[in-house]
Amino acid sequence: DSGVTQTPKHLITATGQRVTLRCSPRSGDLSVYWYQQSLDQGLQFLIQYYNGEERAKGNILERFSAQQFPDLHSELNLSSLELGDSALYFCASSVDLGPSGSPLHFGNGTRLTVT
Amino acid sequence: DAKTTQPNSMESNEEEPVHLPCNHSTISGTDYIHWYRQLPSQGPEYVIHGLTSNVNNRMASLAIAEDRKSSTLILHRATLRDAAVYYCILRDSSGYSTLTFGKGTMLLVSP
Repeated sequence: DSGVTQTPKHLITATGQRVTLRCSPRSGDLSVYWYQQSLDQGLQFLIQYYNGEERAKGNILERFSAQQFPDLHSELNLSSLELGDSALYFCASSVDLGPSGSPLHFGNGTRLTVT
Repeated sequence: DAKTTQPNSMESNEEEPVHLPCNHSTISGTDYIHWYRQLPSQGPEYVIHGLTSNVNNRMASLAIAEDRKSSTLILHRATLRDAAVYYCILRDSSGYSTLTFGKGTMLLVSP
């Protein structure tokens, strides 16, 4: 058990809809990362927050947004969903921003299916 | 993040040692070498990381070449539970950086 909790585990929704994925980081971790994993693209970095502030953006679509709350949990909002957004979405957390080489700890993901 | 090269797949027998290679010829002096693995239907799991010296932990050992252009993840006695995709990733320690995953090596373990 990594200590990172993601909810829900599974989500099925229709095209055009909006969903929110939730992540609770490990106790004491200030940094939260979101990744998307699809069969054809592999694991893609989306966005990172550190102590409530956005620190890095990867291949995140404009239809997607995220935030980290004062209690350090994070939410990833996906809107105007398309079939191609069907994927596994992973959240990870780490103690700091990364200069020390601190590892990332991943949750077990949310499987999103868009029909 | 600098690029790494790994074999697409490797096979091993249970209870035998496994050496998973990774080439990173363009590594910079400030890059950490990280290894993660992903078991089926699970999120990636941290295995080990190092900068210059060889490293050991309860899961594995990491052997880093003297010129740092290659490294090897060593599983001392493979179990069926070690069947996973193993990712070798370079992560810059000089400032801020995230983990950029490649395709990794799929390790198959036979009983």
